[in-house]
Amino acid sequence: GEDVEQSLFLSVREGDSSVINCTYTDSSSTYLYWYKQEPGAGLQLLTYIFSNMDMKQDQRLTVLLNKKDKHLSLRIADTQTGDSAIYFCAEFNQAGTALIFGKGTTLSVSS
Amino acid sequence: KAGVTQTPRYLIKTRGQQVTLSCSPISGHRSVSWYQQTPGQGLQFLFEYFSETQRNKGNFPGRFSGRQFSNSRSEMNVSTLELGDSALYLCASAPTENYGYTFGSGTRLTVV
Repeated sequence: GEDVEQSLFLSVREGDSSVINCTYTDSSSTYLYWYKQEPGAGLQLLTYIFSNMDMKQDQRLTVLLNKKDKHLSLRIADTQTGDSAIYFCAEFNQAGTALIFGKGTTLSVSS
Repeated sequence: KAGVTQTPRYLIKTRGQQVTLSCSPISGHRSVSWYQQTPGQGLQFLFEYFSETQRNKGNFPGRFSGRQFSNSRSEMNVSTLELGDSALYLCASAPTENYGYTFGSGTRLTVV
């Protein structure tokens, strides 16, 4: 079945770049997603990438997709303390009716 | 545009009781999904509804059920509550399948 894996923790200093990595198993995924969860809140859709793209940039966010290796990454430039949160990588199941999430990467930003 | 609204935000129930959680999707969204989030298991898919039909169900016992109404609003019910049902329950909506879901803020259920 589908599976998504992420590293659990990342600690960076304010102003540095953060790179959060994810591997997925379902090569038929049309879209891959990044969600952000702040303490006590629901999930916020940060960005997504279509499977036929290698890269997508959206302000401080850059998503890189290596379809051959089934590897997805999220780069946050000029990381701020407000970026401290849990970041989830997700893909759809084959029917497109259920999102499969990784365990989440906790990003800690120190000033 | 109003987001996904979940009620109530917090709930405390006793073991053995049942509970009903409510979700109002974004206007025009016909797909509604429910997820359970716990520290140990992470985010797990419960079920998905589209036009009042359950299209997909996750690996949860029959005590977990749901439904969707003609206005796309959805409810989920958990009967015979167990301590392990304590979790954040998240509802999400999308116009159709394979669309990025918008999530609500969740209902925090505590079973004592």
